[in-house]
Amino acid sequence: SAVISQKPSRDICQRGTSLTIQCQVDSQVTMMFWYRQQPGQSLTLIATANQGSEATYESGFVIDKFPISRPNLTFSTLTVSNMSPEDSSIYLCSVGPDSSGNTIYFGEGSWLTVV
Amino acid sequence: ELKVEQNPLFLSMQEGKNYTIYCNYSTTSDRLYWYRQDPGKSLESLFVLLSNGAVKQEGRLMASLDTKARLSTLHITAAVHDLSATYFCAVELDSNYQLIWGAGTKLIIKP
Repeated sequence: SAVISQKPSRDICQRGTSLTIQCQVDSQVTMMFWYRQQPGQSLTLIATANQGSEATYESGFVIDKFPISRPNLTFSTLTVSNMSPEDSSIYLCSVGPDSSGNTIYFGEGSWLTVV
Repeated sequence: ELKVEQNPLFLSMQEGKNYTIYCNYSTTSDRLYWYRQDPGKSLESLFVLLSNGAVKQEGRLMASLDTKARLSTLHITAAVHDLSATYFCAVELDSNYQLIWGAGTKLIIKP
């Protein structure tokens, strides 16, 4: 199984600032994704992080607000820019599939609170 | 547009009882996933269902998939308190590992 490390695990951020979340995987993976989970809600896909090219964003998410980097097959970052209280969420990195071609794994999540 | 509906959204039950969580989805999909999330934690993969009629079991949990009905079930047998968590189903979109999620079922099992 893939081991995914996310940093920071938790942060309290001031309105108007930006924060970059890092996602490190212990093996090379083709697909990496970023999700958002607002308090008490389900998960929403933000974007697919493509290695060596621009991320692919889902409807409602834009690069200016959520710039993503994917410099290699084991690492990605998500920046939450110009934060507002509405950005208070859990941000989750996921990778898949594993070597058996099955499940998709998630990092521990980054809990962001914007004040 | 692929939509995933889970029900019930909230379930409180006694230990020792059986119950089923349902997951309906609106278009064809290759894979269906079940995850568990404990409060303040990330997501733990429970099952991946790949084909019609697939059934997988782990302990007191059993998941099944009916692709014709576009329905998956997560059955809990003789529930114990440790199974209290939120359970999500997720359906893969276009075979590209992007997941569309159900709203989650918050399960509380009382001693």
